[in-house]
Amino acid sequence: AQSVAQPEDQVNVAEGNPLTVKCTYSVSGNPYLFWYVQYPNRGLQFLLKYITGDNLVKGSYGFEAEFNKSQTSFHLKKPSALVSDSALYFCAVRTADRGSTLGRLYFGRGTQLTVWP
Amino acid sequence: DAGITQSPRHKVTETGTPVTLRCHQTENHRYMYWYRQDPGHGLRLIHYSYGVKDTDKGEVSDGYSVSRSKTEDFLLTLESATSSQTSVYFCAISESGRGLDGYTFGSGTRLTVV
Repeated sequence: AQSVAQPEDQVNVAEGNPLTVKCTYSVSGNPYLFWYVQYPNRGLQFLLKYITGDNLVKGSYGFEAEFNKSQTSFHLKKPSALVSDSALYFCAVRTADRGSTLGRLYFGRGTQLTVWP
Repeated sequence: DAGITQSPRHKVTETGTPVTLRCHQTENHRYMYWYRQDPGHGLRLIHYSYGVKDTDKGEVSDGYSVSRSKTEDFLLTLESATSSQTSVYFCAISESGRGLDGYTFGSGTRLTVV
């Protein structure tokens, strides 16, 4: 079975401080991992993905994520948070196993990030 | 959200009535998905499609049906709306069945069943 856990419903951080949004996953085989962001009354927007290669992935708006296979984690990070980063963040995973079809992604429950001035 | 539109954006309906939500894409992507988003549950897959007239159930498909008669349109029907189906519904598209490209999401439909 494939699943994603985002252990924190909310993360609060002061502007200018580094932020981390945590994600752990469970898949059969190697994972494809994604982060999405949702602003109020909007659909989800793609931030970044890990398919293969370098464990540190850089994405939009200065975000990055580190793939850690031994810890089955894919935490989202940003060195210096902005108030405009406040949004709902979703981690998603699917297996790279070629026996699995349809590209279906499994999503975590989301983490609400609030950056205060 | 260019290339994928959902209609209506908001709808209020009465319990027991049928409701159809539409997802329209201009990307010619083969794969389309319907999700519902609820607090504490994140996104849950209702139904998905892997081609014209090819659809299958997701994890929360009870009370919902879908149809895809054209590549560009994926319809979600609530056969007899219930209050538990009050939610925000998102459509997503994907070019690759291998999921390497992730999804592109529509802006959502906020449905209220009274």
